[in-house]
This record gives sequence, C-alpha cells and structure tokens, in this order.
Amino acid sequence: AQKITQTQPGMFVQEKEAVTLDCTYDTSDPSYGLFWYKQPSSGEMIFLIYQGSYDQQNATEGRYSLNFQKARKSANLVISASQLGDSAMYFCAMREARTGGGNKLTFGTGTQLKVEL
Amino acid sequence: NAGVTQTPKFRVLKTGQSMTLLCAQDMNHEYMYWYRQDPGMGLRLIHYSVGEGTTAKGEVPDGYNVSRLKKQNFLLGLESAAPSQTSVYFCASSYSLKTGGDNEQFFGPGTRLTVL
Repeated sequence: AQKITQTQPGMFVQEKEAVTLDCTYDTSDPSYGLFWYKQPSSGEMIFLIYQGSYDQQNATEGRYSLNFQKARKSANLVISASQLGDSAMYFCAMREARTGGGNKLTFGTGTQLKVEL
Repeated sequence: NAGVTQTPKFRVLKTGQSMTLLCAQDMNHEYMYWYRQDPGMGLRLIHYSVGEGTTAKGEVPDGYNVSRLKKQNFLLGLESAAPSQTSVYFCASSYSLKTGGDNEQFFGPGTRLTVL
C-alpha cells in the first residue's frame, strides 16, 4: 500500500483564490511527521510546512496552512490567495519514527499546481 | 552559507561507465541523504547516513554505493551505469532527531544524469 497518496496529478486555480492540495497517508506508527515541499520549474526543493502527529493545532506558515485530520489520515495543504509564483509541483512527505535511524522521508508522487490569471 | 551543493549539475554517461556525485553541506548537519526523482514517482531514497563513517540503504539502493568520510560530504557512486539510472539525483541534509524541532531536510539543486 502507498504510504503517501496524492490523488491530484494536476490542479488549476485562479490567482487570489485559495486552493487545497490533498494528501493521505498510511502508518501504524503513533509518532510521525508530515511535510510539504514545493518544487518550481527550476527544480529545487523548498520546504513549506511541517505537522507533527502529536501537534494539537494545524500548522500555519504565512499563506500556507496544513489541514490535519488525524482520524482520516489526511494532511492537506491549503494555499490562500494564490499567486502566479505558486505554480509548481507540490510534494507531501512523511517521517515515521519506527523506521529507525535517520530522519527518512517517504514522498508522494506530487501535484502539479498551475495558477492562472 | 552555501547550504547544500551538488557536483556536477549535469552529466551524460555511456552504459557501463562509472561516476561519482559529490554532495557537500555547510550547516553541520548530522544526517545526509541521496534521492532519485523520476517522472510520476516522486522522490525515492537511495542511501542515507546518520553520521561520519556510517551509511545505510534506502528504498532503491541497487546499483549505487555511498561513502561519508567527512561529516560535510556525502558521495554517491555508480560503478557501472545503466539506462535505468537516468534520473535527477538530489542530495539532502538535516539535523538529527535529537535536536528537536521540525528537522526538515534541506535539498541541493539536483544533478541531471543521462545514461545512454
């Protein structure tokens, strides 16, 4: 079974609108972390936001927020007031404590977001 | 600070040739990683290291070797390149989990490798 599932290969959003990128995960580990990264067309990987499994509140970083629904095992990224510069590939990733050793991440297949005028 | 740097940025190999990709970080991170990115498959972990002199296998280690002789450097080797190893390779580094916090991974700019 996929550990990280991103079901939206591509998404379109109008500039200044909000958009939600879906991510579901599968783990039996009670301690885990969820990350979102952005990859623009230039190729670099940019860290956006983190949510720990024991965090009581949803994480927020500027225009980014993480809608964490633990019972549903979902960690959706919400981008408010979309900008043209938000056009990029977005990856969800998970770190499980039980995998032991290191800070290893398992990545989803990504969602390509296109912001339109 | 340069962060995480990778050398080279691009490389074309013929089947059977060997090469080494160099990753360097100046953030004093304990952990380092090598990933490959293929279309439609996200990033997959090849090998990782939790400290100088230690390495471990990731999800897709076959055909690759690594070494971490110095804390700041992590080398990825291909002994006999195959077309299936055509990919974009990313190096990353992070603090150890003992330092607390998010422990996000910081990525290098990537190396685009083509094996003919």
